[in-house]
Amino acid sequence: AQSVAQPEDQVNVAEGNPLTVKCTYSVSGNPYLFWYVQYPNRGLQFLLKYITGDNLVKGSYGFEAEFNKSQTSFHLKKPSALVSDSALYFCAVRPGSGNTGKLIFGQGTTLQVKP
Amino acid sequence: DARVTQTPRHKVTEMGQEVTMRCQPILGHNTVFWYRQTMMQGLELLAYFRNRAPLDDSGMPKDRFSAEMPDATLATLKIQPSEPRDSAVYFCASSRTSGGVTGELFFGEGSRLTVL
Repeated sequence: AQSVAQPEDQVNVAEGNPLTVKCTYSVSGNPYLFWYVQYPNRGLQFLLKYITGDNLVKGSYGFEAEFNKSQTSFHLKKPSALVSDSALYFCAVRPGSGNTGKLIFGQGTTLQVKP
Repeated sequence: DARVTQTPRHKVTEMGQEVTMRCQPILGHNTVFWYRQTMMQGLELLAYFRNRAPLDDSGMPKDRFSAEMPDATLATLKIQPSEPRDSAVYFCASSRTSGGVTGELFFGEGSRLTVL
């Protein structure tokens, strides 16, 4: 079955420290991978995506993610966290074979950045 | 600033009533998705359309849910009759598919449904 796992329900970091939000996936074919962020009472906002090419992808608000095919992971990172980064983060995957366009989302990880 | 527009933003209704949620996708986007978000289940795909044709509605309870795209600027999700377990936030998202490749999804602000 095709799936996405975000093993941490919550990640706590201090402002200014680096952050990592983990994501692993299981899909057939070469995956398309995405990160979205959701602020309270808002819709999801696109952060970044990996389709092909360089394994390190840079996105909005200083976020980046590293695609690791051998570990089937796509962890989200930021060198220096801001309090305003506190939100719910979703990893999503689109199977590469038979592109239907639909995304499979992980359960989400709440990021809490403390001053 | 192009955005996906959803109405209503909030809806409180009683069990058994009909509920219709509407979505205006971003102009030029030809793929439209309906997702439901709950604390227990997270984000679930209910249905999606490409060029107004339904591609997959396997995530929808068929007996009470229906999704349509009367035209390229309007997608609807209807629940009849509604039940308390339908209480959730319903998101519409749109994307552009070209050459067989679908770009990132753009989400609306959601319709928060409470069924009493």
